[in-house]
Amino acid sequence: DTAVSQTPKYLVTQMGNDKSIKCEQNLGHDTMYWYKQDSKKFLKIMFSYNNKELIINETVPNRFSPKSPDKAHLNLHINSLELGDSAVYFCASSQEGDVAEQYFGPGTRLTVT
Amino acid sequence: GQNIDQPTEMTATEGAIVQINCTYQTSGFNGLFWYQQHAGEAPTFLSYNVLDGLEEKGRFSSFLSRSKGYSYLLLKELQMKDSASYLCVLMDSNYQLIWGAGTKLIIKP
Repeated sequence: DTAVSQTPKYLVTQMGNDKSIKCEQNLGHDTMYWYKQDSKKFLKIMFSYNNKELIINETVPNRFSPKSPDKAHLNLHINSLELGDSAVYFCASSQEGDVAEQYFGPGTRLTVT
Repeated sequence: GQNIDQPTEMTATEGAIVQINCTYQTSGFNGLFWYQQHAGEAPTFLSYNVLDGLEEKGRFSSFLSRSKGYSYLLLKELQMKDSASYLCVLMDSNYQLIWGAGTKLIIKP
């Protein structure tokens, strides 16, 4: 009965590879998000998405792309991984119009070697 | 632009009270939030203030002064499980959340 789930929890890969992180929410929320938490613990939003609009943080490289097969899923695809992509990535969801109370997934720790 | 400042780390004693301060600068404001994040876990929502004053929720209270660009989170009757990072989060005029780096709270017996 997990509200927001992510897979995998840990991902170790080499530079140049392409990888995906999956996110699913069973809360019936309309909006989903991807965040990157760096070593200094800053949480930076990468994308927010509902069935009407994708909002991209303009600082996010275009190697990162969200894919939403349906309202309950927002997957993160990363092409040509770089060392600086190593971080913890959190998926979150909220009711449309209630961006305040976001429910977070457990996070995916990505290590690029 | 926006900026959020909060102490990096604080230490308190079990059973005591601690106040975690947050100051911010922003050109547009739609609310301020506090999230709790235990090490290695996801953030969880604690509180939301959009008007000046104190919001109380059990052992936790949050205060906001918009004119001063200031908020605090007050934790009473501290328990060991309260050891975590506390994130001050600003909602800007575009309804986007701007996250502070967090205050690591260490509770000692």
